[in-house]
Amino acid sequence: SQQGEEDPQALSIQEGENATMNCSYKTSINNLQWYRQNSGRGLVHLILIRSNEREKHSGRLRVTLDTSKKSSSLLITASRAADTASYFCAMLNDMRFGAGTRLTVKP
Amino acid sequence: DAGVIQSPRHEVTEMGQEVTLRCKPISGHDYLFWYRQTMMRGLELLIYFNNNVPIDDSGMPEDRFSAKMPNASFSTLKIQPSEPRDSAVYFCASSGGQGLTAQYFGPGTRLLVL
Repeated sequence: SQQGEEDPQALSIQEGENATMNCSYKTSINNLQWYRQNSGRGLVHLILIRSNEREKHSGRLRVTLDTSKKSSSLLITASRAADTASYFCAMLNDMRFGAGTRLTVKP
Repeated sequence: DAGVIQSPRHEVTEMGQEVTLRCKPISGHDYLFWYRQTMMRGLELLIYFNNNVPIDDSGMPEDRFSAKMPNASFSTLKIQPSEPRDSAVYFCASSGGQGLTAQYFGPGTRLLVL
């Protein structure tokens, strides 16, 4: 299985702070995607980064990819209480997800 | 587009009963995925279809589980007979292409087997 492993498992920050989550994987990839899951809801696609890209931005989200280290990070800047959710990375070569990072943003 | 539609949203049944979960993917998507999510095991891929054909069912836990996709706009996941350990949230997702595009998830079916 090629599922990614997110780190940390849980993260708690204050509103306005930045949140950084990491994802590691084991084999080569075509692309890596990040998803968000609010409690009780389905996953929502956030951003896709291809293997030949090193960094990608979308609003307050910044994703980096280091294929030499087989890792990716998701940075959420100026976090809001509404960012409270679980975040997953996925290498959709394999259609599987890791355990996710549970982010709590305190108002 | 209405997104991926799942029904029912909640299901409570007794052990031994048959349970059928339904999914309507986004029109035009040629991949459909079934996942199960529990606190203990996280999000597990059960099976996925491409153009209505099952491609990988290695995640189906046992013979009590079966999935069908009779046409491009409908899929079912059946559990017969159901057991309490099947209690979970079951998600259906669809995608327009393997590995290169996003998966779009439905709202899930929360199943409780008593």
